[in-house]
Amino acid sequence: EDKVVQSPLSLVVHEGDTVTLNCSYEVTNFRSLLWYKQEKKAPTFLFMLTSSGIEKKSGRLSSILDKKELFSILNITATQTGDSAIYLCAVNTGTASKLTFGTGTRLQVTL
Amino acid sequence: DAGVIQSPRHEVTEMGQEVTLRCKPISGHNSLFWYRQTMMRGLELLIYFNNNVPIDDSGMPEDRFSAKMPNASFSTLKIQPSEPRDSAVYFCASSFSSRIRGAWPLHFGNGTRLTVT
Repeated sequence: EDKVVQSPLSLVVHEGDTVTLNCSYEVTNFRSLLWYKQEKKAPTFLFMLTSSGIEKKSGRLSSILDKKELFSILNITATQTGDSAIYLCAVNTGTASKLTFGTGTRLQVTL
Repeated sequence: DAGVIQSPRHEVTEMGQEVTLRCKPISGHNSLFWYRQTMMRGLELLIYFNNNVPIDDSGMPEDRFSAKMPNASFSTLKIQPSEPRDSAVYFCASSFSSRIRGAWPLHFGNGTRLTVT
């Protein structure tokens, strides 16, 4: 059975801190790893990673994948209260877009 | 771009009643997914369709759950009879995937919050 594990489960930081969220996986037929941000409603897409060692970056967010050790990290620098959300990691297996999700990391950024 | 459209936004029903959730995927997407989200279990894949054909329904909890996709622009998820443990947020998502380009990221609807009393 495919498995995606995220840590920590929840995190509270002060505005301006840097955070690192972790995602490890055990799946068959790996194709890609994706990060999503979920605020009040639908998860919204952040990154898709397919190759090891290549950092994807968008503003203060960045992510990298290690296919040998089977994990990914999501970094957020200079956190803001608007970064408060659940961050979901998911792994795509197979030819369709089937995603197996982790249970998420709940991030709360306080003033 | 209208995004994935789900209805209703909220549904409150009594145990034993039939519930039908609806989804309109993004135009041009060929894959559609139904997920259920709870605090305890996170996001769980229930079923997905590719080109309107059900590919994997192994996540459907029981025979009380059924899903259809009669055409490329509409899908339903039905629960009959509903039970309190079915209470959750149900998300529909769509994407485009191909053998050559692989899978594109899923785009989620805003979900239907189902409460069964």
